[in-house]
Amino acid sequence: NAGVMQNPRHLVRRRGQEARLRCSPMKGHSHVYWYRQLPEEGLKFMVYLQKENIIDESGMPKERFSAEFPKEGPSILRIQQVVRGDSAAYFCASSVFPGQGYTEAFFGQGTRLTVV
Amino acid sequence: QQPVQSPQAVILREGEDAVINCSSSKALYSVHWYRQKHGEAPVFLMILLKGGEQKGHDKISASFNEKKQQSSLYLTASQLSYSGTYFCGTESAGGTSYGKLTFGQGTILTVHP
Repeated sequence: NAGVMQNPRHLVRRRGQEARLRCSPMKGHSHVYWYRQLPEEGLKFMVYLQKENIIDESGMPKERFSAEFPKEGPSILRIQQVVRGDSAAYFCASSVFPGQGYTEAFFGQGTRLTVV
Repeated sequence: QQPVQSPQAVILREGEDAVINCSSSKALYSVHWYRQKHGEAPVFLMILLKGGEQKGHDKISASFNEKKQQSSLYLTASQLSYSGTYFCGTESAGGTSYGKLTFGQGTILTVHP
């Protein structure tokens, strides 16, 4: 049973380019969460998605960032016109039920984005 | 608001015990504990639900005091493999965004032989 799969593991982009990060949740999981982790810091919530729905995007910057979780295929976090400050590790987590303590969220290995 | 973890760092010798605390200013529904090694994904340790439940996992256990909005992680007879950064993630009571975790800043645990 494969865990949460993220790709690419490492991504280098020049300032102004677009970054696309992919996340395939664990089998049977339909809830996906994206977190960002700056070096030596904790994880910061970005967005919570279910299939074809954005449930909570309160942690997403208003500009340049978008996320989707289509009916088929992985969840995508898209960052347009990247800047140096976007350099971070981006983690995806998935769960079966959305919470109320019923189930844990499992994290993928993360995508380490470096903007040069 | 981000929960506050204490201490920020702990250094132990193998076999010693440690306690890591997590305190929130918001009413909590649950607390989730994770361990992360450098350059790796956070690994789930356990969930604690409101009700003051204490859970155990091998030599790692935790408690949750709902009234004080605090949780503590207890590591007994530490092993070298326990080294890493420990994060608590809190899930707030109420609202619609279940499963959304707000993480503390982390506690760095180092176990020496």
